[in-house]
Amino acid sequence: DADVTQTPRNRITKTGKRIMLECSQTKGHDRMYWYRQDPGLGLQLIYYSFDVKDINKGEISDGYSVSRQAQAKFSLSLESAIPNQTALYFCAARPEETQYFGPGTRLLVL
Amino acid sequence: AQSVSQHNHHVILSEAASLELGCNYSYGGTVNLFWYVQYPGQHLQLLLKYFSGDPLVKGIKGFEAEFIKSKFSFNLRKPSVQWSDTAEYFCAVLIYNTDKLIFGTGTRLQVFP
Repeated sequence: DADVTQTPRNRITKTGKRIMLECSQTKGHDRMYWYRQDPGLGLQLIYYSFDVKDINKGEISDGYSVSRQAQAKFSLSLESAIPNQTALYFCAARPEETQYFGPGTRLLVL
Repeated sequence: AQSVSQHNHHVILSEAASLELGCNYSYGGTVNLFWYVQYPGQHLQLLLKYFSGDPLVKGIKGFEAEFIKSKFSFNLRKPSVQWSDTAEYFCAVLIYNTDKLIFGTGTRLQVFP
């Protein structure tokens, strides 16, 4: 397990607002990931990071940005939230070949 | 493009019935294979994984999966389901030596007592 935590667990925001989702892991793993989950679509990769200086775009990075402030912290930002960004967001960390997921943040954009 | 298919979108079973959930992937090279489970309102948890060796792998809670390389499949099985197995199940494929973990769209399993 990678002991991944996410805050907040639930968030409601309005269109056009900036919002940040936080992710932390306690085991010192280099690789961290952000996914969004939509009903019927599985998980789609937004961004991933191999270390503090290495950030990579995933499949659906448009409208999102990330920051790897430290090895343990990987934040996801929505600069100007829109309703179709309403989803469940998961952070994951990867020791070796297996990704372990955080509890998720449920985001509603009105 | 690589993809993962889970053909069963919604499965409804009675307790004690046997379960098999299909997973097929499209990639000709080496892969690592995973099944994750998501109980209602919870995060994804690793159920089992296959990297190499015996193609029949056993996971937690009595689940097992068989990797059939010739069929590009990694089907999940359980001989006798319980009500507590009600959840969504995701198959995922990691392209070897990459960070590309590709998820299927998930199968929702409902088990009735």
